[in-house]
Amino acid sequence: KQEVTQIPAALSVPEGENLVLNCSFTDSAIYNLQWFRQDPGKGLTSLLLIQSSQREQTSGRLNASLDKSSGRSTLYIAASQPGDSATYLCAVVSGGYNKLIFGAGTRLAVHP
Amino acid sequence: EAGVTQFPSHSVIEKGQTVTLRCDPISGHDNLYWYRRVMGKEIKFLLHFVKESKQDESGMPNNRFLAERTGGTYSTLKVQPAELEDSGVYFCASSRGGHQSSPLHFGNGTRLTVT
Repeated sequence: KQEVTQIPAALSVPEGENLVLNCSFTDSAIYNLQWFRQDPGKGLTSLLLIQSSQREQTSGRLNASLDKSSGRSTLYIAASQPGDSATYLCAVVSGGYNKLIFGAGTRLAVHP
Repeated sequence: EAGVTQFPSHSVIEKGQTVTLRCDPISGHDNLYWYRRVMGKEIKFLLHFVKESKQDESGMPNNRFLAERTGGTYSTLKVQPAELEDSGVYFCASSRGGHQSSPLHFGNGTRLTVT
Protein backbone atom coordinates (compact mmCIF):
# COMPACT_ATOMS: atom_id res chain seq x y z
CA LYS A 1 0.00 0.00 0.00
CA GLN A 2 1.46 3.31 -1.10
CA GLU A 3 2.13 5.84 1.64
CA VAL A 4 3.41 9.37 1.21
CA THR A 5 5.24 11.23 3.95
CA GLN A 6 6.24 14.88 4.01
CA ILE A 7 8.89 16.39 6.20
CA PRO A 8 8.87 18.82 7.89
CA ALA A 9 5.23 19.23 8.86
CA ALA A 10 5.78 22.95 9.36
CA LEU A 11 8.52 25.39 8.50
CA SER A 12 9.05 29.06 9.32
CA VAL A 13 11.81 30.97 7.55
CA PRO A 14 12.84 34.58 6.99
CA GLU A 15 12.30 36.11 3.58
CA GLY A 16 15.07 35.46 1.08
CA GLU A 17 16.08 32.00 2.26
CA ASN A 18 16.37 29.06 -0.08
CA LEU A 19 14.49 26.10 1.27
CA VAL A 20 13.82 22.44 0.62
CA LEU A 21 10.66 20.48 1.27
CA ASN A 22 10.88 16.72 1.36
CA CYS A 23 8.51 14.02 0.20
CA SER A 24 8.98 10.27 0.40
CA PHE A 25 6.87 7.40 -0.84
CA THR A 26 6.98 3.72 0.02
CA ASP A 27 6.32 2.13 -3.37
CA SER A 28 8.64 3.22 -6.16
CA ALA A 29 6.23 2.02 -8.87
CA ILE A 30 4.70 5.42 -9.58
CA TYR A 31 3.40 7.00 -12.79
CA ASN A 32 4.16 10.53 -11.71
CA LEU A 33 4.58 12.82 -8.74
CA GLN A 34 2.92 16.18 -8.34
CA TRP A 35 3.51 19.12 -6.04
CA PHE A 36 0.57 21.31 -5.09
CA ARG A 37 0.14 24.49 -3.16
CA GLN A 38 -2.88 25.20 -0.99
CA ASP A 39 -3.74 28.60 0.43
CA PRO A 40 -6.14 28.79 3.41
CA GLY A 41 -9.74 28.28 2.35
CA LYS A 42 -8.72 27.65 -1.24
CA GLY A 43 -8.31 24.67 -3.49
CA LEU A 44 -5.07 23.08 -4.55
CA THR A 45 -2.95 24.64 -7.26
CA SER A 46 -0.74 22.33 -9.28
CA LEU A 47 2.87 23.56 -9.19
CA LEU A 48 4.91 20.86 -10.88
CA LEU A 49 4.30 17.42 -12.34
CA ILE A 50 7.22 15.03 -12.75
CA GLN A 51 6.73 11.93 -14.85
CA SER A 52 8.30 8.72 -13.57
CA SER A 53 10.87 8.86 -16.37
CA GLN A 54 11.96 12.39 -15.46
CA ARG A 55 14.44 13.55 -12.85
CA GLU A 56 13.30 17.11 -12.30
CA GLN A 57 10.99 19.92 -13.33
CA THR A 58 11.44 23.65 -12.95
CA SER A 59 9.03 26.55 -12.88
CA GLY A 60 10.35 29.97 -11.98
CA ARG A 61 11.83 29.84 -8.48
CA LEU A 62 10.59 26.27 -7.96
CA ASN A 63 12.52 23.13 -8.76
CA ALA A 64 11.27 19.64 -8.02
CA SER A 65 13.44 16.56 -8.23
CA LEU A 66 12.47 12.93 -8.30
CA ASP A 67 14.52 9.89 -7.29
CA LYS A 68 12.12 7.08 -7.96
CA SER A 69 14.40 4.27 -6.89
CA SER A 70 14.86 5.72 -3.43
CA GLY A 71 11.25 6.90 -3.18
CA ARG A 72 12.06 10.57 -2.69
CA SER A 73 11.23 13.96 -4.10
CA THR A 74 12.29 17.40 -3.03
CA LEU A 75 10.77 20.77 -3.77
CA TYR A 76 13.34 23.53 -3.80
CA ILE A 77 12.13 27.12 -3.41
CA ALA A 78 14.71 29.77 -4.19
CA ALA A 79 14.73 33.22 -2.59
CA SER A 80 11.56 32.67 -0.61
CA GLN A 81 8.99 35.47 -0.34
CA PRO A 82 6.10 36.08 2.07
CA GLY A 83 3.74 35.26 -0.79
CA ASP A 84 5.11 31.72 -0.78
CA SER A 85 3.45 31.10 2.58
CA ALA A 86 1.02 28.22 2.09
CA THR A 87 0.71 24.48 2.58
CA TYR A 88 2.66 22.43 0.07
CA LEU A 89 1.38 18.98 -0.77
CA CYS A 90 3.10 16.13 -2.51
CA ALA A 91 1.07 13.42 -4.25
CA VAL A 92 1.88 10.37 -6.34
CA VAL A 93 -0.06 8.39 -8.91
CA SER A 94 0.58 4.70 -8.48
CA GLY A 95 -1.27 1.41 -8.52
CA GLY A 96 -4.61 2.44 -9.96
CA TYR A 97 -3.54 5.21 -12.29
CA ASN A 98 -6.59 7.30 -11.75
CA LYS A 99 -6.02 8.41 -8.18
CA LEU A 100 -3.60 10.63 -6.35
CA ILE A 101 -2.18 9.58 -2.98
CA PHE A 102 -1.36 12.62 -0.90
CA GLY A 103 1.04 13.39 1.87
CA ALA A 104 -0.13 15.42 4.84
CA GLY A 105 1.63 18.54 3.60
CA THR A 106 4.24 21.00 4.81
CA ARG A 107 2.90 24.27 6.19
CA LEU A 108 5.33 27.01 5.17
CA ALA A 109 5.48 30.50 6.67
CA VAL A 110 7.86 33.04 5.17
CA HIS A 111 8.14 36.14 7.31
CA PRO A 112 9.46 39.56 6.21
CA GLU B 1 -10.79 29.83 -18.77
CA ALA B 2 -13.08 29.49 -15.75
CA GLY B 3 -11.76 27.18 -13.07
CA VAL B 4 -13.45 24.32 -11.26
CA THR B 5 -16.32 25.67 -9.22
CA GLN B 6 -17.94 24.04 -6.23
CA PHE B 7 -21.16 24.85 -4.45
CA PRO B 8 -21.83 25.47 -1.65
CA SER B 9 -18.57 26.68 -0.15
CA HIS B 10 -19.81 25.79 3.32
CA SER B 11 -22.60 23.59 4.61
CA VAL B 12 -23.66 22.94 8.17
CA ILE B 13 -26.23 20.19 8.68
CA GLU B 14 -27.46 17.99 11.45
CA LYS B 15 -26.72 14.32 11.72
CA GLY B 16 -29.25 12.34 9.72
CA GLN B 17 -29.93 15.08 7.19
CA THR B 18 -29.08 15.00 3.51
CA VAL B 19 -26.61 17.25 1.72
CA THR B 20 -25.80 17.53 -1.97
CA LEU B 21 -22.54 19.02 -3.15
CA ARG B 22 -22.09 20.21 -6.68
CA CYS B 23 -19.03 20.51 -8.88
CA ASP B 24 -18.70 22.21 -12.26
CA PRO B 25 -15.47 21.13 -13.95
CA ILE B 26 -13.51 23.13 -16.48
CA SER B 27 -15.24 23.00 -19.83
CA GLY B 28 -13.86 20.19 -22.00
CA HIS B 29 -12.40 18.22 -19.10
CA ASP B 30 -13.67 14.67 -19.37
CA ASN B 31 -12.06 13.54 -16.13
CA LEU B 32 -13.68 14.56 -12.88
CA TYR B 33 -12.54 13.50 -9.43
CA TRP B 34 -13.85 13.85 -5.90
CA TYR B 35 -11.46 13.95 -2.97
CA ARG B 36 -11.98 14.79 0.67
CA ARG B 37 -9.97 15.77 3.69
CA VAL B 38 -11.34 14.90 7.07
CA MET B 39 -9.98 16.62 10.15
CA GLY B 40 -6.30 16.01 10.70
CA LYS B 41 -5.89 13.53 7.88
CA GLU B 42 -4.52 13.49 4.36
CA ILE B 43 -6.61 14.27 1.33
CA LYS B 44 -8.12 11.00 0.15
CA PHE B 45 -9.52 9.93 -3.21
CA LEU B 46 -13.26 9.20 -3.39
CA LEU B 47 -14.06 8.53 -7.03
CA HIS B 48 -13.31 9.27 -10.65
CA PHE B 49 -15.60 9.93 -13.61
CA VAL B 50 -14.69 9.83 -17.26
CA LYS B 51 -17.48 11.76 -18.89
CA GLU B 52 -20.63 10.33 -17.31
CA SER B 53 -19.15 6.95 -16.40
CA LYS B 54 -17.75 6.03 -13.01
CA GLN B 55 -14.24 4.81 -13.66
CA ASP B 56 -13.31 4.07 -10.08
CA GLU B 57 -15.35 4.54 -6.93
CA SER B 58 -13.13 2.51 -4.66
CA GLY B 59 -12.62 5.45 -2.31
CA MET B 60 -16.28 5.97 -1.50
CA PRO B 61 -16.56 5.27 2.22
CA ASN B 62 -19.97 3.58 2.23
CA ASN B 63 -23.35 3.47 0.55
CA ARG B 64 -24.47 6.70 2.18
CA PHE B 65 -22.46 8.48 -0.50
CA LEU B 66 -23.82 8.74 -4.03
CA ALA B 67 -22.08 10.55 -6.88
CA GLU B 68 -23.55 11.30 -10.27
CA ARG B 69 -22.44 13.04 -13.41
CA THR B 70 -25.42 13.06 -15.71
CA GLY B 71 -24.59 14.19 -19.23
CA GLY B 72 -20.90 14.21 -18.44
CA THR B 73 -20.84 17.84 -17.34
CA TYR B 74 -21.34 18.83 -13.72
CA SER B 75 -21.28 16.31 -10.89
CA THR B 76 -23.11 15.98 -7.60
CA LEU B 77 -22.11 14.16 -4.46
CA LYS B 78 -24.96 13.36 -2.10
CA VAL B 79 -24.54 12.24 1.47
CA GLN B 80 -27.65 10.62 2.92
CA PRO B 81 -27.98 10.35 5.87
CA ALA B 82 -25.02 12.39 7.05
CA GLU B 83 -22.98 11.23 10.02
CA LEU B 84 -20.59 13.16 12.26
CA GLU B 85 -17.53 11.53 10.69
CA ASP B 86 -18.51 12.89 7.28
CA SER B 87 -17.37 16.35 8.34
CA GLY B 88 -14.47 17.63 6.29
CA VAL B 89 -13.59 19.45 3.11
CA TYR B 90 -14.76 17.89 -0.14
CA PHE B 91 -12.71 18.79 -3.18
CA CYS B 92 -13.57 18.34 -6.80
CA ALA B 93 -10.93 18.30 -9.50
CA SER B 94 -10.90 17.94 -13.25
CA SER B 95 -8.39 17.25 -15.98
CA ARG B 96 -8.37 16.92 -19.71
CA GLY B 97 -6.43 13.66 -19.73
CA GLY B 98 -5.79 11.02 -17.12
CA HIS B 99 -3.57 11.35 -14.07
CA GLN B 100 -0.62 9.94 -15.95
CA SER B 101 0.00 13.10 -17.92
CA SER B 102 -2.43 15.87 -17.06
CA PRO B 103 -2.23 18.09 -14.00
CA LEU B 104 -5.36 18.33 -11.93
CA HIS B 105 -7.28 21.54 -11.48
CA PHE B 106 -8.96 21.71 -8.09
CA GLY B 107 -11.95 23.66 -6.91
CA ASN B 108 -11.92 25.57 -3.63
CA GLY B 109 -13.78 22.78 -1.88
CA THR B 110 -16.95 22.50 0.15
CA ARG B 111 -16.49 22.55 3.90
CA LEU B 112 -19.09 20.22 5.37
CA THR B 113 -19.87 20.28 9.06
CA VAL B 114 -22.21 17.67 10.50
CA THR B 115 -23.44 18.47 14.02
